[in-house]
Amino acid sequence: KAGVTQTPRYLIKTRGQQVTLSCSPISGHRSVSWYQQTPGQGLQFLFEYFSETQRNKGNFPGRFSGRQFSNSRSEMNVSTLELGDSALYLCASSLFFRASEADTQYFGPGTRLTVL
Amino acid sequence: AQSVTQPDIHITVSEGASLELRCNYSYGATPYLFWYVQSPGQGLQLLLKYFSGDTLVQGIKGFEAEFKRSQSSFNLRKPSVHWSDAAEYFCAVGGYGSSDKLIFGTGTRLQVFP
Repeated sequence: KAGVTQTPRYLIKTRGQQVTLSCSPISGHRSVSWYQQTPGQGLQFLFEYFSETQRNKGNFPGRFSGRQFSNSRSEMNVSTLELGDSALYLCASSLFFRASEADTQYFGPGTRLTVL
Repeated sequence: AQSVTQPDIHITVSEGASLELRCNYSYGATPYLFWYVQSPGQGLQLLLKYFSGDTLVQGIKGFEAEFKRSQSSFNLRKPSVHWSDAAEYFCAVGGYGSSDKLIFGTGTRLQVFP
């Protein structure tokens, strides 16, 4: 079974631009979560989606948004990029939105975003 | 507030030596606890998780972790480290309410000397 895929793997943008990152979950998985990883702040939760609905959102400004499509693929968008948005953005998928012993979050390799 | 503390930023061990990575958590309810490993340039791989039952949990790659409620700890152990274990290790807590959201510790970087 193919794992979580994220595209693109690397991205370079300049301040003020916007960017869209894509995540394709494991086949059959309906829950997708996004995390931002930086050296200073570590791994921080951005948001999670299930059945095209945002179920939970982390403490990030409104410039960060996301959506999920009917096939469970998800995109996140960052508008008006700032230098501090440079990070590894990780996507994780699981069967269901509620953590359980039988369910596991599987992470993709991430998209490395550099803002110049 | 929910939080996870990994007190050791960097640990160095010799190949074949035993390993223990520390993790302490603060959580308002019975926690679900996880250990993930991240190799350079890679995403996170789940090593093991604790939800309930036996407090000693076995994971992949020969790792195990013990949940100690009285100490709010979930330390990761391995009896004999291999050079390929060099990576960054993250402890996480989650499962609060109806959410998959994970709260991660700051990570421990493991270096293995031959």
